[in-house]
Amino acid sequence: GAGVSQSPSNKVTEKGKDVELRCDPISGHTALYWYRQSLGQGLEFLIYFQGNSAPDKSGLPSDRFSAERTGGSVSTLTIQRTQQEDSAVYLCASSRPPGQGFQETQYFGPGTRLLVL
Amino acid sequence: KNEVEQSPQNLTAQEGEFITINCSYSVGISALHWLQQHPGGGIVSLFMLSSGKKKHGRLIATINIQEKHSSLHITASHPRDSAVYICAVIPYQGAQKLVFGQGTRLTINP
Repeated sequence: GAGVSQSPSNKVTEKGKDVELRCDPISGHTALYWYRQSLGQGLEFLIYFQGNSAPDKSGLPSDRFSAERTGGSVSTLTIQRTQQEDSAVYLCASSRPPGQGFQETQYFGPGTRLLVL
Repeated sequence: KNEVEQSPQNLTAQEGEFITINCSYSVGISALHWLQQHPGGGIVSLFMLSSGKKKHGRLIATINIQEKHSSLHITASHPRDSAVYICAVIPYQGAQKLVFGQGTRLTINP
């Protein structure tokens, strides 16, 4: 079946512009995660959605970052007034809902490579 | 100090060698993942484990919850195993977010 898809695969933008990154999770996966992989910084958590629950936004680095998930499926990560330090690969992952006392494997998309000039 | 530490950071070996990558973490966890990332490629989850040992083909992952330590082993290594291997944990606090190690870059020479 289809995996997690992300678009665009690459995005070059100018400092100060807004960008939107899209994630289509695996069908039936109610849990959706955004991560960022910066050069020299490794991977870091940004935000987590689970069903209709309030998202866990604890990893968002500033109020310029926001994300939404419409209809419990597609998610959009928006970065306003981009800065050069926002340059990174933005990864989306999805999983079946984690249950009480057990976790589910996360399936990663190919990522969006963002370059802010 | 990072919550998740991997060693070594870089590892170069000859084809056929037995490979071990180590991961230590400092928080209580509900699960640990081993991930693989090929150059320019996406991330694939190799294992998710919360106790004991798992095996898939030439890959073996072990975890010792009491010692807060996990290892990833590759038997009969092959050049196609060359990749970055990342350890990631899900802390107990109730959130589902992964906390990542810095990764181990493995190069297997023919």
